[in-house]
Order: sequence, then C-alpha cells, then structure tokens
Amino acid sequence: SQTIHQWPATLVQPVGSPLSLECTVEGTSNPNLYWYRQAAGRGLQLLFYSVGIGQISSEVPQNLSASRPQDRQFILSSKKLLLSDSGFYLCAWSVRGTGRYGYTFGSGTRLTVV
Amino acid sequence: EDQVTQSPEALRLQEGESSSLNCSYTVSGLRGLFWYRQDPGKGPEFLFTLYSAGEEKEKERLKATLTKKESFLHITAPKPEDSATYLCAVQALGGNDMRFGAGTRLTVKP
Repeated sequence: SQTIHQWPATLVQPVGSPLSLECTVEGTSNPNLYWYRQAAGRGLQLLFYSVGIGQISSEVPQNLSASRPQDRQFILSSKKLLLSDSGFYLCAWSVRGTGRYGYTFGSGTRLTVV
Repeated sequence: EDQVTQSPEALRLQEGESSSLNCSYTVSGLRGLFWYRQDPGKGPEFLFTLYSAGEEKEKERLKATLTKKESFLHITAPKPEDSATYLCAVQALGGNDMRFGAGTRLTVKP
C-alpha cells in the first residue's frame, strides 16, 4: 500500500534561519507531488507542485523553494525564514494523469518562526 | 481564476441533528470536485470525488451531491466523532493541482 512520510512534525525556528522539510512517498511510482501551506482558519494554499524529477512549478512568489531530487522525494526549503512563513505545511501526492482518487496528504509540519 | 467558497465557516449541531455544508465553485472546466475531512493537527483525509452535475456519493452518514455551481455535503444523524473541518476542492480540466476552500468547522455535541 502507498504511504507518505513527512517530517518533522513540529519545528520552531528563528527568523533568518534556513529551513528544510522533507516528504517521501512509498508504494507508488511517478506520483505528482505537492506542497501546501495552511494558515490558521484558512484554506490550503498551493505552494509548489511537481510532475517529475527536477520539474517544479511555483504558484506564488515567496521566500520558499522546492526540489525533487528523486521520484518519490520532495523537499521544501528556505535560505532565510520570515515570520510570515509560520504555518502548517502539508505534502501530498496523487496518481499522475488523473484526479480520480484525490490527494493523499502527509501528517503535516507545524512551523513556528520566532 | 478558479474559486471555491464554503459556508458556513462553523457549524454546531446536536448529536442526531442532520444538516448540510455548502461548497460554491467557479472553474473553467471541472475535472472533479473533492471533499476532505481534516482533524485538528492532521492532514486532510480524502472522502469523495464528484465529476458531473447530478452525481451523488455516500459514505456512512455523509452524502455528497453536485450541481453545476455548488456541492453539498449532507450529514445525517451526526455523531460526536464526525466533528472535524470539512474541506472542498476543485480541479480544472488540464490542471495538475486543486483549489481548496477555507473549510467548514463542524462540531457535534453529545
């Protein structure tokens, strides 16, 4: 069966520090991968999505970047965190080519920038 | 631009009191409309996909319906364990991503 792993679960980082969040998927090949951010009381905002290794699409200008070094690995990074980067970050995967089965989300990372 | 609006923002029900959640959407061409359940501090959990107007899906006490402009999530005789935030999302034809609404936070009191 397919599983998605996301870590860490919680993170407190000072302003100006770097960030690296990792997401891996098991049990499937060639998935579409996504990074979303959820602010308190708000919907999910798409940050990045990837349809293949090295292929990254960005939805909004921001202080973050994403990379996909392997088929089932998706990394969210920042060189210098801002207070506004605080939020709940979610990684998700879907079967490529169809939305029939929806997205499968990871358990999320709660990031607090202080 | 694709848009998804959910109402109400919050809903409090007594156990057994049936109700409906609304999701209004605009999309250039609908590939699918999705419903998710999200518990506090966790990632959303997929519930349903609806593809065309008139379609209905059911799972336990939940039933989702779809028209050309909106979707409803009907909750029949809810239990406290149905308390969660319910998210609606749309995916456009040719799109690789989903647009989510802000969600409806449902609380069911015993």
